[in-house]
Amino acid sequence: DAKTTQPTSMDCAEGRAANLPCNHSTISGNEYVYWYRQIHSQGPQYIIHGLKNNETNEMASLIITEDRKSSTLILPHATLRDTAVYYCIVRNSGNTPLVFGKGTRLSVIA
Amino acid sequence: EAQVTQNPRYLITVTGKKLTVTCSQNMNHEYMSWYRQDPGLGLRQIYYSMNVEVTDKGDVPEGYKVSRKEKRNFPLILESPSPNQTSLYFCASSARPEVVPEAFFGQGTRLTVV
Repeated sequence: DAKTTQPTSMDCAEGRAANLPCNHSTISGNEYVYWYRQIHSQGPQYIIHGLKNNETNEMASLIITEDRKSSTLILPHATLRDTAVYYCIVRNSGNTPLVFGKGTRLSVIA
Repeated sequence: EAQVTQNPRYLITVTGKKLTVTCSQNMNHEYMSWYRQDPGLGLRQIYYSMNVEVTDKGDVPEGYKVSRKEKRNFPLILESPSPNQTSLYFCASSARPEVVPEAFFGQGTRLTVV
């Protein structure tokens, strides 16, 4: 079972920031938070990951609360091509498989 | 361009007829894996490989085989396909699975077994 809870769906206006929340209240100290997205029936795409510090790359920013029980993925300027299902995954380092939950279906609206 | 390539993209086959889905990556990644995706069940790992000649079972390996004779290729073999293997299959690879477990995914193979 996925160790994370995400809203089922969200809408965002094109050009605005999309803030996708994720709860992972049972996260343990050596577990990372990963975000992937999947555009309809395409292969999942890795976005970003973090342990406890906030992270930023060319795609998004990841904000992790100090207690690490929740995080937010931020797409700073959402475009129509960002419409996808976004998965928040908690996993420790090592070779355990990713466990994809149901994710959040983000719809970016013109 | 860095990519993971799966073939075929679509396949319809009959029960019991052996098939192979190929997966190739051009990034010299040591780690490769296979997932299947089913409605309501999400993505589940079938097999993974840490390097050439090293393969291990994932969460749902029954009915599947894999091989890793060379670094770039990781074919998925269904010796005797059954209708419950109708699914969307994804291959993935990573240079550092301990950091980013599946960094690149292929575009998927939609398999229908009738």
